[in-house]
Amino acid sequence: SQKIEQNSEALNIQEGKTATLTCNYTNYSPAYLQWYRQDPGRGPVFLLLIRENEKEKRKERLKVTFDTTLKQSLFHITASQPADSATYLCALKGDRSGYALNFGKGTSLLVTP
Amino acid sequence: DTEVTQTPKHLVMGMTNKKSLKCEQHMGHRAMYWYKQKAKKPPELMFVYSYEKLSINESVPSRFSPECPNSSLLNLHLHALQPEDSALYLCASSPGQGDYNEQFFGPGTRLTVL
Repeated sequence: SQKIEQNSEALNIQEGKTATLTCNYTNYSPAYLQWYRQDPGRGPVFLLLIRENEKEKRKERLKVTFDTTLKQSLFHITASQPADSATYLCALKGDRSGYALNFGKGTSLLVTP
Repeated sequence: DTEVTQTPKHLVMGMTNKKSLKCEQHMGHRAMYWYKQKAKKPPELMFVYSYEKLSINESVPSRFSPECPNSSLLNLHLHALQPEDSALYLCASSPGQGDYNEQFFGPGTRLTVL
């Protein structure tokens, strides 16, 4: 069966450090992978999409890598700030038609001053 | 306008009530989605509409009935729900064409079934 594993349920880091979140998947052959941020009681917000032929993508303090051989994506937040505290979700398109996504369970990031 | 709106924000209903959740977007997106999210769990897909036609129903119980009156609106009609249906219901939209489709989510409706 298809699985998306975000293997840290919670990650606590100090302000200014780099946070690294992991997303591993099995039984997918994804053309792309997406990362979302979700704050408590709110809908997810799209952050980044990385295509299968891209090794790395950056947006401001965010960096995503995608290794289709390892079946893994890493999500980095550099110079982290308390405002970065949230749950981060990894998402892949499933086998169904259309653009429906399957989400990992998410990693809860807490950045402390 | 890059926003997906959902009403109401909160809803409390009894098991015999009939209520509806509403979702609206004006980004010209042709794919719209309903997700259900329980606490500390990821969003779970319920329904997908593509070009106003239901394209995916993830074996959702018939007490949930989706409707897409036009390309900007998505409704979820609720009837005879169970307490375990209490959750955050999220609507999302995406362009519905092209190779890659990021999804835009609304703020959700917090549903409590008594």
